[in-house]
Amino acid sequence: DSGVTQTPKHLITATGQRVTLRCSPRSGDLSVYWYQQSLDQGLQFLIHYYNGEERAKGNILERFSAQQFPDLHSELNLSSLELGDSALYFCASSVFSGQETQYFGPGTRLLVL
Amino acid sequence: GENVEQHPSTLSVQEGDSAVIKCTYSDSASNYFPWYKQELGKRPQLIIDIRSNVGEKKDQRIAVTLNKTAKHFSLHITETQPEDSAVYFCAASTGSARQLTFGSGTQLTVLP
Repeated sequence: DSGVTQTPKHLITATGQRVTLRCSPRSGDLSVYWYQQSLDQGLQFLIHYYNGEERAKGNILERFSAQQFPDLHSELNLSSLELGDSALYFCASSVFSGQETQYFGPGTRLLVL
Repeated sequence: GENVEQHPSTLSVQEGDSAVIKCTYSDSASNYFPWYKQELGKRPQLIIDIRSNVGEKKDQRIAVTLNKTAKHFSLHITETQPEDSAVYFCAASTGSARQLTFGSGTQLTVLP
């Protein structure tokens, strides 16, 4: 167990819908990273938050957004869902933003029908 | 941006043999290189990492080497066991947020 928690574990929804994925970092970690893992694209960086502020964006679609709250948990919002958004979504946390180890949560498996 | 290439995509070895997975990166500013092991449907788990000021690091049966000049790093697993079977990802840390750029993964199968 990495200490990073994610809910829900599984999510099944329909095209056009909106979902929210939640991540709680390890105790003491200030950074949260979101990654998407799909069969054809591998593990891809989406977005990073550090102590409540957005620090970097990767290949994140405009339909997706995220935020980090004062208690440091983070939410990833996916809207106008398409079939191609089906994937495993992982968050990872680290102490600061630097050469630190990132610890991954168990992931949320999203299936868009 | 950073690009990480990983080879081979699949690797089968006999139990007890060694396995080597190689990665190359493109951004000379990358300075942290972790390796993750991922079992089917589970989270990536860090198995070893190396920073750019070190050329080699070893942890029991696992070792990683880094050649900054050539921009490549490798994972070495000795005395492989069936439980080593999994997908292994290399990654490079770069960018303003030190986000990880992952290789495409290597499916390692250890045959008993």
